[in-house]
Amino acid sequence: EAQVTQNPRYLITVTGKKLTVTCSQNMNHEYMSWYRQDPGLGLRQIYYSMNVEVTDKGDVPEGYKVSRKEKRNFPLILESPSPNQTSLYFCASSFGGGGSYEQYFGPGTRLTVT
Amino acid sequence: AQSVAQPEDQVNVAEGNPLTVKCTYSVSGNPYLFWYVQYPNRGLQFLLKYITGDNLVKGSYGFEAEFNKSQTSFHLKKPSALVSDSALYFCAVRDGYKLSFGAGTTVTVRA
Repeated sequence: EAQVTQNPRYLITVTGKKLTVTCSQNMNHEYMSWYRQDPGLGLRQIYYSMNVEVTDKGDVPEGYKVSRKEKRNFPLILESPSPNQTSLYFCASSFGGGGSYEQYFGPGTRLTVT
Repeated sequence: AQSVAQPEDQVNVAEGNPLTVKCTYSVSGNPYLFWYVQYPNRGLQFLLKYITGDNLVKGSYGFEAEFNKSQTSFHLKKPSALVSDSALYFCAVRDGYKLSFGAGTTVTVRA
């Protein structure tokens, strides 16, 4: 089954404790992206990757890191989480980065930072 | 920079009535526009997109959207709403490699 998977689905952590949210897709997509969803703000793009070893900042990259060492994986790293990073996070992928391709979304990771 | 506005936080309709969810956009080049739907505790699902061509785009689950360049709008429509259409709907615009979403519109269809 074609899908985007994220782990963990739920995470409660404390301020400053480094964490990684994994994202994997089995569709051989070139483009992958991370978003955070907050009430009243919709989804905001954190980082995206056009292909292996090619990443760029979205609209809200502060406090996050990413890497793309393999085509199928695009982990999101919070090196020193803070309470304002409490949010619902989505990973997405698509065939290409530009223009016409729709994105396939993972199920989401709900992160709480206390 | 591109942006999307969804002027209504909530839309309430009776089952069987037409449903419209509004979206306006701002982008410097040609617009690539999308609608996604999010059901409770689920990820987003693609509904339809406008790239070029006909201004009326048909998508999944009986939804369609009308692209209006002069009004910079891309409203989502369904002729006859179902209770199962109750969900959160997002309009999005793509500019290069970036995708910008609206704040979302919660649709409630009452039986």
